[in-house]
Amino acid sequence: QSVLTQPASVSGSPGQSITISCTGTSSDVGDYNYVSWYQKHPGKAPKLMIYDVNKGPSGASNRFSGSKSGNTASLTISGLQAEDEADYYCCSYAGSGIWVFGGGTKLTVL
Amino acid sequence: QVQLQESGPGLVKPSETLSLTCAVSGYSISSGYYWGWIRQPPGKGLEWIGSGFHTGSANYNPSLKSRVTISVDTSKNQFSLKVTSVTAADTAVYYCARHSYGVASFFDSWGQGTLVTVSS
Repeated sequence: QSVLTQPASVSGSPGQSITISCTGTSSDVGDYNYVSWYQKHPGKAPKLMIYDVNKGPSGASNRFSGSKSGNTASLTISGLQAEDEADYYCCSYAGSGIWVFGGGTKLTVL
Repeated sequence: QVQLQESGPGLVKPSETLSLTCAVSGYSISSGYYWGWIRQPPGKGLEWIGSGFHTGSANYNPSLKSRVTISVDTSKNQFSLKVTSVTAADTAVYYCARHSYGVASFFDSWGQGTLVTVSS
């Protein structure tokens, strides 16, 4: 069982926006601004999309944005495209040098 | 551009030790960053195993800590993972990654992953 809770699946049509939630506790997501998000296509390595809650790595698409409220972080993808269909994972620092991932969310572009 | 490549046996027998190496190119391990291992069991999500620093320090997932060792070899610019007393539950794709921790936190460069199957 993953420490961070994500919905198993979300879906949206091309051009729409979707949001994926990542719920932790006051000991991880709620206590640190060290939440990152990863996109993973089958058979491929994960790709960093957002770090430190809401920062985008250089070269990343600005259609991806992140936020946090209390113990829940969120990833929003705007202007959905077919290539956005993938699994998405959140990750948070949990103190004492420990990191935790969410269970992953499968995004389907209809 | 930093590149990482995992290597090691694809099949390990139960109760034996799983050993993997991650070769790093395009960046000197001793220049900074932590170096981490993450795994994904078949059909499941990602799990952080642990991260090591070039000074020899390392942090581990509490659920695996008693069986895991991560070491960093600056002379070969690579780092390694050992998991002892493996069972079928350790079957997974294992990824190595560069891990920023501190000013900004993320896993930004990943290896392609290597499947390790635990079976007799």
